[in-house]
Amino acid sequence: QVQVVQSGAEVKKPGASVKVSCKASGYTFTRNNMHWVRQAPGQGLEWMGIINPSGGSTSYAQKFQGRVTMTRDTSTSTVYMELSSLRSEDTAVYYCAREDGSGSYAYWGQGTLVTVSS
Amino acid sequence: EIVLTQSPGTLSLSPGERATLSCRASQSVSSSYLAWYQHKPGQAPRLLIYGASSRASGIPDRFSGSGSGTDFTLTISRLEPEDFAVYFCQQYGSLPWTFGQGTKVEIK
Repeated sequence: QVQVVQSGAEVKKPGASVKVSCKASGYTFTRNNMHWVRQAPGQGLEWMGIINPSGGSTSYAQKFQGRVTMTRDTSTSTVYMELSSLRSEDTAVYYCAREDGSGSYAYWGQGTLVTVSS
Repeated sequence: EIVLTQSPGTLSLSPGERATLSCRASQSVSSSYLAWYQHKPGQAPRLLIYGASSRASGIPDRFSGSGSGTDFTLTISRLEPEDFAVYFCQQYGSLPWTFGQGTKVEIK
């Protein structure tokens, strides 16, 4: 069965970087794009970007351009999302979500809470 | 980018009642690439509807989606206790993919 498992919670200081991992199993890793979505406290869902695990190509939301980097390791079926120059407003739950043939997300990671605090 | 506006912000209903949630897009959503998700605290979102009207695998038939262009609707025909949650719409027809701000369905 398809599983998407994320790394654990992180606490970071302002200005630092965080790297969240998302390990996929139960399907051919390179066949489905992976997206990153976040939800800040009391806010809605916010799309951050997409990575194609096959070739590694990415597309980022303009808001995060220059601060976010999405990568993948095909040997471990893992995608990564690194966000730099963290500020308090980046405190959120970060999700990875697998894009299905329909284009929507049937499989999500469990979420990773990133807290940015001095 | 396409802005999705959901209404109402909160819907207060009793179990057994019908819920009608709206999602309006600032421009036409291509090929009806519109999805609905249910989100409960501490859980990952759950896909309910994709392609505006297709139910995802395992989703009860009390959930239905309709609409095209800029106006979309999620209907829950008879609310069950487990249906009280936040519902988001999402368009995935053009980058950047965007979400609505959510509608909370709460117990009256």
